[in-house]
Amino acid sequence: QLQLQESGPGLVKPSETLSLSCTVSGGSIRSSGYYWAWIRQPPGKGLESIGSIHYTGRTHYNPSLKGRVTISVDTSKNQFSLKLSSVTAADTAVYYCAKRGGGWSPIDYWGQGTLVTVSS
Amino acid sequence: QSALTQPPSASGSPGQSVTISCTGTSSDVGGFDSVSWYQQHPGKAPQLMIYEVNKRPSGVPDRFSGSRSGNTASLTVSGLQAEDEADYYCSSYASSSNFEVFGGGTKLTVL
Repeated sequence: QLQLQESGPGLVKPSETLSLSCTVSGGSIRSSGYYWAWIRQPPGKGLESIGSIHYTGRTHYNPSLKGRVTISVDTSKNQFSLKLSSVTAADTAVYYCAKRGGGWSPIDYWGQGTLVTVSS
Repeated sequence: QSALTQPPSASGSPGQSVTISCTGTSSDVGGFDSVSWYQQHPGKAPQLMIYEVNKRPSGVPDRFSGSRSGNTASLTVSGLQAEDEADYYCSSYASSSNFEVFGGGTKLTVL
């Protein structure tokens, strides 16, 4: 059974860079066709897709966040990561890592989510 | 403001049917079969309930069904049960942004 687990700081200062990792277990991040994604949810609000990556390095980023987002993959660790720069309080959210079957396929596996608060 | 429009709330009594709408445009909901629905219980990660407009993943009860008419997709929950009380989100690929967009979510209450 595929499992995803987010890790990283729960508190980030304004203007700094948010960094999270997602460890994939129970399957290979190199599985053909799969995309590995980040989605976030501000407290009490809806879902927002941040971006996704194929193990070959191909990425899709949310245009509203473009320029601040970098998603990378480390196949040797079976991990993928998120960096979001110049954060503000508006970036406070639960961040989920997830897997989708293809570029725009539905998300069929989710991590449990991790709350990241942006505050000084 | 979300790209896809959902009613903020919906409700029904146990055993009844409830339909939740998700309205977009011909550049997203109406133009592509990549419409999905997710269920989210409080404090939990979302779970995929419907994909490609009307397909159910294995393990999802057949009480859940999806459909689409024009630029509006719908999720119908038949035979409501207490455990169906949750937030529901629709999503779709959007060619205008070449990215995925979500609806604002609908809180389903089982009375």
